[in-house]
Amino acid sequence: QVQLVQSGGGVVQPGRSLRLSCAASGFTFSSYAMHWVRQAPGKGLEWVALISYDGINKYYADSVKGRFTFSRDNSKNTLYMQMNSLRAEDTAIYYCARAYRGNYRDAFDIWGQGTMVTVSS
Amino acid sequence: EIVLTQSPGTLSLSPGERATLSCRASQSVSRSYLAWYQQKPGQAPRLLIYGASNRATGIPDRFSGSGSGTDFTLTISRLEPEDFAVYYCQQYDSSPMYTFGQGTKLEIK
Repeated sequence: QVQLVQSGGGVVQPGRSLRLSCAASGFTFSSYAMHWVRQAPGKGLEWVALISYDGINKYYADSVKGRFTFSRDNSKNTLYMQMNSLRAEDTAIYYCARAYRGNYRDAFDIWGQGTMVTVSS
Repeated sequence: EIVLTQSPGTLSLSPGERATLSCRASQSVSRSYLAWYQQKPGQAPRLLIYGASNRATGIPDRFSGSGSGTDFTLTISRLEPEDFAVYYCQQYDSSPMYTFGQGTKLEIK
């Protein structure tokens, strides 16, 4: 079935790095733009980043620009989020999500299960 | 940036009642690029409605969306016990700057 399975995450000290992964299955991964969305504890949803179907175009929320790098390996059907210079305010559950019809102007129809990132000394 | 404001913050209703949730945008959302999501505790969000009024795959017909421009509504015609959750609206008009509303918590009265 169509699914996104996330891995990575954990507890990290401020200023350190972490990498998240998101493995896709059940659909033609290389045809879809993909997103990361995060949710701080007890808070709402915040869009983090978008990557085009081919990995060439990437867009980031101002809150993570210059620190996070979104990439994909279409041969492995996998997304990656490299998070550097982590801050306490990056503490959140991170979700990967699929653009419904693969386009930028689409809702997010398939979500990963989420992975917790805690930035704390 | 398009700011989405949801109301009410919390809605207390009983099973069988009708729920009406509102989402207001700070500027017009063109071509109704607006979605609604449901999120239950410990779960990822689930897409309910896209394009303001189109139900996503597998979503029961008691869920309906309406509106255009700056005012949008999610209606649940008759609440089932599993419908009590938090609901978010999202605009994807100003991509790649996507924004979500702050959420409406639908709780059992």
